[in-house]
Amino acid sequence: NAGVTQTPKFRVLKTGQSMTLLCAQDMNHEYMYWYRQDPGMGLRLIHYSVGEGTTAKGEVPDGYNVSRLKKQNFLLGLESAAPSQTSVYFCASSYGGFETQYFGPGTRLLVL
Amino acid sequence: KNQVEQSPQSLIILEGKNCTLQCNYTVSPFSNLRWYKQDTGRGPVSLTIMTFSENTKSNGRYTATLDADTKQSSLHITASQLSDSASYICVVSSNLKTSYDKVIFGPGTSLSVIP
Repeated sequence: NAGVTQTPKFRVLKTGQSMTLLCAQDMNHEYMYWYRQDPGMGLRLIHYSVGEGTTAKGEVPDGYNVSRLKKQNFLLGLESAAPSQTSVYFCASSYGGFETQYFGPGTRLLVL
Repeated sequence: KNQVEQSPQSLIILEGKNCTLQCNYTVSPFSNLRWYKQDTGRGPVSLTIMTFSENTKSNGRYTATLDADTKQSSLHITASQLSDSASYICVVSSNLKTSYDKVIFGPGTSLSVIP
């Protein structure tokens, strides 16, 4: 039981490049979330999903897209990376919308 | 505006000592409050969860309190250990009558336990 895993762990991009972050969970959770964490600030919700095939915008969705084609996977895409997207990205999942969220180890992204 | 504030921003204590971290929130309507522990380079892990009717919850050496009237919570760590060095995040959920709780994360308190 691996819990929540994220790939890659670290990535450096140039401005304008695109990339996809992958999140996988093996707990059969319905809900999945993408957050970003910046120094001195709390985690902020980017997008979330309440089940396979569904996605919804969170607090800071601009510049990101997501897809949930399979229940266990939640992908976060950056179409044209900007330096402001330099951050640590965390994926989380939960059984229900009111349940404890389980977090992945994070992906450190640096956009030059 | 829904906000969660934590104090102090950082704290250094000697191994074996106790400490208390504070959380103030303005989230409404209130659903529950969680404390998470985040080790450096790792994702947050839930320590405790309290609903409106609960005013204290323990998890080993961690004891959380909640005063829903004053909208304050504290996390008390007893007999600190080096492994307690981490960021402690207060998270308040708001029940907006949707399919999930709106979750507001505090900025965290960075705790360093030194020998």
